[in-house]
Amino acid sequence: DAGVIQSPRHEVTEMGQEVTLRCKPISGHDYLFWYRQTMMRGLELLIYFNNNVPIDDSGMPEDRFSAKMPNASFSTLKIQPSEPRDSAVYFCASSLGGARVSYEQYFGPGTRLTVT
Amino acid sequence: KNQVEQSPQSLIILEGKNCTLQCNYTVSPFSNLRWYKQDTGRGPVSLTIMTFSENTKSNGRYTATLDADTKQSSLHITASQLSDSASYICVVSGGGADGLTFGKGTHLIIQP
Repeated sequence: DAGVIQSPRHEVTEMGQEVTLRCKPISGHDYLFWYRQTMMRGLELLIYFNNNVPIDDSGMPEDRFSAKMPNASFSTLKIQPSEPRDSAVYFCASSLGGARVSYEQYFGPGTRLTVT
Repeated sequence: KNQVEQSPQSLIILEGKNCTLQCNYTVSPFSNLRWYKQDTGRGPVSLTIMTFSENTKSNGRYTATLDADTKQSSLHITASQLSDSASYICVVSGGGADGLTFGKGTHLIIQP
C-alpha cells in the first residue's frame, strides 16, 4: 500500500489567492482527518470525516477554510482567501476506525503551505 | 479545555544513553494515549497506543508508561541511536470525540 498521499508537497501562494490541498487516504479506511502544524501551536485537528461525512469541524479556524470528501478515496481542504497566518504544514491522516477505540492513524507526508 | 503538556521541550543526549520524556494531560473523558515519533519533514508515526487499563507498553527500545490516576505518561528510550533524533509527540484521545489532542512535543537530539 502506498500509504496516505498528499499533494502538492509544497505550495507557495500570495495573500488573497485560493489554495486547495488534496489527500488520498489508505484504501479501506473509513476515517479521514485533516491537521495543521505550526511551531507555535503544534498539531491541531481541523476536521474529520467518517464514511465521507464531516463529523466534527470545530477545529476549522474560520469560514475561509472548507473541506470536502466527495468519495472514499479523495478529500480536499480549501482556503479562500489565503492569509499569511495560514502558513503551516497541513497533514492528512486516515484510519480504520475512530480514535476513541484505539485505531491507528496513518499520516501523510504533509503539504507545506507558505502564504506571502 | 483538553490539554496535553510535554517536558522537556528539547533534550540532547549522547548516543547509547537512555532518556525519559514526560507527558501530562487533562483530557476527559479519557480514551487512550499515544506516543508519536516525527522525523523532520515527515508525518508523525505511531510508537504506542495505551488504553486506561494498560500501564506499560513496549515497542523495541521504546517503553511507554501510563498512570491514569495522575494523568501522566512517560516514554523511555533505551540505548539511544542517532536515528532516534526526532520530535516525540504525546497525543490523547478523549473528550467525547474521535479526534486527538496533541502535545507540542519534545525535540530529541542524539549526539555521536
